Amino acid sequence: EAQVTQNPRYLITVTGKKLTVTCSQNMNHEYMSWYRQDPGLGLRQIYYSMNVEVTDKGDVPEGYKVSRKEKRNFPLILESPSPNQTSLYFCASSFNLMGNQPQHFGDGTRLSIL
Amino acid sequence: QKEVEQNSGPLSVPEGAIASLNCTYSDRGSQSFFWYRQYSGKSPELIMSIYSNGDKEDGRFTAQLNKASQYVSLLIRDSQPSDSATYLCAVNAFYGGSQGNLIFGKGTKLSVKP
Repeated sequence: EAQVTQNPRYLITVTGKKLTVTCSQNMNHEYMSWYRQDPGLGLRQIYYSMNVEVTDKGDVPEGYKVSRKEKRNFPLILESPSPNQTSLYFCASSFNLMGNQPQHFGDGTRLSIL
Repeated sequence: QKEVEQNSGPLSVPEGAIASLNCTYSDRGSQSFFWYRQYSGKSPELIMSIYSNGDKEDGRFTAQLNKASQYVSLLIRDSQPSDSATYLCAVNAFYGGSQGNLIFGKGTKLSVKP
């Protein structure tokens, strides 16, 4: 089954404790992206990757890191989480952004930073 | 500043009517335009993509693009209660970013009344 898998689905943690949200896709997609969704602010892109070892900042990259060492994985790293990073996070992938290629979204990760 | 604007709604239409959702964008160089549907508590799913001026139809959905006016819309014919969701307009940024930078509007909440 084609899918984007995020882990964990829910996480409550404390300020300053490094965490990683994993994202894995089994569709051999080149493009992967991370978003956060906040009430009243909508869905905002954090980082994206056009292919292995190619990453770029989205609109809200501050406080986040990513890596793309393998095609299937695109982890999101919060080195020193802060309460303003409490949000719902989505990972997505597609073959590319052109053509009628849908972005497949993961089920989301709800992060609470205390 | 790259922006994608949508009316937040809620937009309420009776079952069987046509729902019209609108979106404007600021980046004149944008090439790719997408409509996503998001049910409450779920991840977004792609409904339509459009790249050329004019209309694109897929079943009950029609996307319309006018690059000169920087305007994209989604029409839903014969609206059903199951269409009740938040509809997100997304546009790829071109100037000031690579084509992987996807900007989402804040979404329009649609309610279809039986």
